[in-house]
Amino acid sequence: GAGVSQSPSNKVTEKGKDVELRCDPISGHTALYWYRQSLGQGLEFLIYFQGNSAPDKSGLPSDRFSAERTGGSVSTLTIQRTQQEDSAVYLCASSLAQQETQYFGPGTRLLVL
Amino acid sequence: QKEVEQNSGPLSVPEGAIASLNCTYSDRGSQSFFWYRQYSGKSPELIMSIYSNGDKEDGRFTAQLNKASQYVSLLIRDSQPSDSATYLCAVKAGSAGNMLTFGGGTRLMVKP
Repeated sequence: GAGVSQSPSNKVTEKGKDVELRCDPISGHTALYWYRQSLGQGLEFLIYFQGNSAPDKSGLPSDRFSAERTGGSVSTLTIQRTQQEDSAVYLCASSLAQQETQYFGPGTRLLVL
Repeated sequence: QKEVEQNSGPLSVPEGAIASLNCTYSDRGSQSFFWYRQYSGKSPELIMSIYSNGDKEDGRFTAQLNKASQYVSLLIRDSQPSDSATYLCAVKAGSAGNMLTFGGGTRLMVKP
């Protein structure tokens, strides 16, 4: 079946602008995760959604970052007033509720000029 | 101290050799361990998961876990040039939440 999809694949924006990144998880997967991978850095957890539970936002680096998940499926990660240090690959992953294996999407490469 | 540590490499091995990738973690309550492979410019792809002490084999790959030593490794037998990639070790914490903590990755180069 279809894997995790993300859009856009690449995004170039100017410092101070807002951006929205979209993730469409694997059908039937109730858990959805956002991670960030900066150049030379490892994968960094951002936020986690599980079903209708309140999301775990413990990894969000600042209040400029927010995410929502509508209808238990598609998720949008929003970065307000982007900064150059926000430049990274933003990866979305999903998993079945009772399983731990996370499957990653292709990522969105964000460049803030 | 990082929670999940890996040697960044590059680890260079000749084609046909065994590649040994190592990872240590700090959270003694960790329960689940994963190895992902990431080709340059691509997203991580799951290779192996392991939950119990000992070895787990899948084709040319063997994952080894030693919870007492807080150590997990990945062996790749008969290494091929196509195995050249960055290998990421990921650990699920013992506390609540399903997020993974990743090491920085080890870059493997298999030379023909």
